[in-house]
Amino acid sequence: QSVLTQPPSVSEAPRQRVTISCSGSSSNIGNNAVNWYQQLPGKAPKLLIYSDDLLPSGVSDRFSGSKSGTSASLAISGLQSEDEADYYCAARDDSLKGPVFGGGTRLTVL
Amino acid sequence: EVQLVESGGGLVKPGGSLRLSCAASGFTFINYSMNWVRQAPGKGLEWVSSISGTSTYIYYADSVKGRFTISRDTAKNSVYLQMNSLRAEDTAVYYCAREDYYGSGTFDYWGQGTLVTVSS
Repeated sequence: QSVLTQPPSVSEAPRQRVTISCSGSSSNIGNNAVNWYQQLPGKAPKLLIYSDDLLPSGVSDRFSGSKSGTSASLAISGLQSEDEADYYCAARDDSLKGPVFGGGTRLTVL
Repeated sequence: EVQLVESGGGLVKPGGSLRLSCAASGFTFINYSMNWVRQAPGKGLEWVSSISGTSTYIYYADSVKGRFTISRDTAKNSVYLQMNSLRAEDTAVYYCAREDYYGSGTFDYWGQGTLVTVSS
């Protein structure tokens, strides 16, 4: 049972837009920045979005993040087959010493 | 170019010990906190432990507290995870991850991971 809640899977057709939700509480998302990680099949996670809505250098602007209250979202526009991956949200939790992660969402591009 | 390379994984019996290493390069090692994050087969990510640049601050997840010890060697640009009293539920790929310069809990670089299997 993960502290942050994500849908297990989402799917959408190529060139469309998809959003992945991440729900938490006042002790994590509500009071701390949210990060998103992309994990391609068989690979290590990669930082995709940090501090709620900022893109690291080299990340496509097809990816965007947002946050409202105790929930956050990752949006991917212009879906491509290479976007098929697991996506994880994460945030510090005030009651813990390390970040907490969502359970991950598997994106399938139909 | 930032690089993190883990090693030391393998098969170990329940109750046994293992020491993981992570060799870092491409950045000023002492300026960054380092972390270990694990992923059980087919499961999500779980933060395990962190150590600040000068080893002043060390933290553990409750699931490993008292059994795992994190350390770092600035001269070797390496971070370690000593794992004792291993259990089947510790089976996972263990990733070394750099925390961003501000220590915000953002993991901006990850290693490729090393697999630890605890089984009799």
